[in-house]
Amino acid sequence: GAVVSQHPSWVICKSGTSVKIECRSLDFQATTMFWYRQFPKQSLMLMATSNEGSKATYEQGVEKDKFLINHASLTLSTLTVTSAHPEDSSFYICSAREASVEQYFGPGTRLTVT
Amino acid sequence: GEDVEQSLFLSVREGDSSVINCTYTDSSSTYLYWYKQEPGAGLQLLTYIFSNMDMKQDQRLTVLLNKKDKHLSLRIADTQTGDSAIYFCAESLISSGSARQLTFGSGTQLTVLP
Repeated sequence: GAVVSQHPSWVICKSGTSVKIECRSLDFQATTMFWYRQFPKQSLMLMATSNEGSKATYEQGVEKDKFLINHASLTLSTLTVTSAHPEDSSFYICSAREASVEQYFGPGTRLTVT
Repeated sequence: GEDVEQSLFLSVREGDSSVINCTYTDSSSTYLYWYKQEPGAGLQLLTYIFSNMDMKQDQRLTVLLNKKDKHLSLRIADTQTGDSAIYFCAESLISSGSARQLTFGSGTQLTVLP
């Protein structure tokens, strides 16, 4: 149990376009979902925390107008990278947590902006 | 604030034991986690321990916690080539009875030599 999926697993887009990444908890209801960004050979950087039905809480330095997060249901959160630029190229990972202390991670989405 | 530190690299021979170390700064009630990340993949939760415990064992994995020194270790017995990955230590504080967001260490790259 406790499976989190992400879609797509990788995406290439042109500079200036927007990209939507989906994060789903497949077999549990996630009261909280987290979005992370990971650069090559580095640790995970928390971008934002989202609770179902409320606005996401962004970490300092993360532009909320650029990284739009929607947590529309207890099993789905989306991250939209708007007007993407090459510096937005990264590995984006979501995680989901129900009421317990365990946090389960998705497989990640590799975004390349050309 | 919370800070989690790990050494960056560890090499061991197949069949030997691996010990990955981690230090953290916050002494409040906390959960401490070990995650494994293989290349191009998300994070797999290996195990976690609450700060009032000293040790937790799960098959080949043993977690030791020295609360006084704020030192956490993960021992992998009979290390196999499939254990080669990056191992992240993470800390989560307890707030209102539930675990909050995770703070990750930099990750330790474990290389298992034949």
